[in-house]
Amino acid sequence: QKEVEQNSGPLSVPEGAIASLNCTYSDRGSQSFFWYRQYSGKSPELIMFIYSNGDKEDGRFTAQLNKASQYVSLLIRDSQPSDSATYLCAVNTRGSTLGRLYFGRGTQLTVWP
Amino acid sequence: DAGVTQSPTHLIKTRGQQVTLRCSPKSGHDTVSWYQQALGQGPQFIFQYYEEEERQRGNFPDRFSGHQFPNYSSELNVNALLLGDSALYLCASSSSGGVGDTQYFGPGTRLTVL
Repeated sequence: QKEVEQNSGPLSVPEGAIASLNCTYSDRGSQSFFWYRQYSGKSPELIMFIYSNGDKEDGRFTAQLNKASQYVSLLIRDSQPSDSATYLCAVNTRGSTLGRLYFGRGTQLTVWP
Repeated sequence: DAGVTQSPTHLIKTRGQQVTLRCSPKSGHDTVSWYQQALGQGPQFIFQYYEEEERQRGNFPDRFSGHQFPNYSSELNVNALLLGDSALYLCASSSSGGVGDTQYFGPGTRLTVL
């Protein structure tokens, strides 16, 4: 069973702060890592993907991957109330389960003004 | 450029009935995956279609079946509905030649089974 674990939260930060979201995965064969944002009642929206160890930055978002520790994180700088949502971590393992995404339960983030 | 579309948006059925959900992938995508998301949970993989065939399947019973058409659109069928089938059903499309199989989700179909 391939597992993806996230702190369910809720995580609450003030506007302008850095929000840090964490995710661990069990399968060392995992090769692609994704962060989705899901507003209440809506479908997941892709924010970022990362394949290589290290950091990847896109605007206010930074994804960090450490394959040795089986850990991936998402940092949101200058958090805004509009960032309030559930953030889903997903991993994709090559081989027999090519293309199948395994999701965590999501971390609920609230950014208060 | 149209994104992933799904229909219907909402659906109410009773136990034992059958339902068909539809999905059109993003332009340029040829692979469709279906997920079930129960309230408070992450999406769970149902199956994936590529070249009109089921490429792989998650841990769902045979009551769940699907189809992919030559234009890459797809249907999800669920027979003998149970109360536990109430969930948000998500379709995701991707390109077989795309990097990392990045999947983009449609708006979903909210199914309620009474």
